[in-house]
Amino acid sequence: DGGITQSPKYLFRKEGQNVTLSCEQNLNHDAMYWYRQDPGQGLRLIYYSQIVNDFQKGDIAEGYSVSREKKESFPLTVTSAQKNPTAFYLCASTSQVRVDEQFFGPGTRLTVL
Amino acid sequence: AQRVTQPEKLLSVFKGAPVELKCNYSYSGSPELFWYVQYSRQRLQLLLRHISRESIKGFTADLNKGETSFHLKKPFAQEEDSAMYYCALRVGSAKTSYDKVIFGPGTSLSVIP
Repeated sequence: DGGITQSPKYLFRKEGQNVTLSCEQNLNHDAMYWYRQDPGQGLRLIYYSQIVNDFQKGDIAEGYSVSREKKESFPLTVTSAQKNPTAFYLCASTSQVRVDEQFFGPGTRLTVL
Repeated sequence: AQRVTQPEKLLSVFKGAPVELKCNYSYSGSPELFWYVQYSRQRLQLLLRHISRESIKGFTADLNKGETSFHLKKPFAQEEDSAMYYCALRVGSAKTSYDKVIFGPGTSLSVIP
């Protein structure tokens, strides 16, 4: 079953804790992205990666970190430095051939208690 | 500054009526624009891209560089068109040469039976 998966679907965190969101794809896509979706603000880019072992900050990278050790995986860590982490997080990927079409995962809803 | 705006957060139309979802952009380079759609309980997915000049599910969108707009139109709305619609702009990065996509805040379309 090809596609892009995110886990968990729902995540609860206490203030002051770091938490890692998983994103995996078996589409053989080179580029992967993390977005944050808030009501009325659309999708805002957190980090993106075009190739393994390389990634770039997006528009709202503060308080987040990523790694890209494998082509298939692009985990996002929400650190305690992120002031307002409660949100819906979306992961996406694109191929080098069709760089203009992003394939999205189902999302993870993070709630900080 | 690179920016995508969608002035309407919510749009309601009756079934069979024409629908137009507005999108304006700000970008100094040559724009590539897209519409993404998210149906209830489904993933965000590409609806159409301006470069293809295609009609998908009866929707069309024309890039107007003079007005910096990319409005999405459909002559006769259907109930299954009810969804969240995001306009998106692909931009190049001067620093990294990596492209990224900027999304607008989204418009929630509700088609009334």
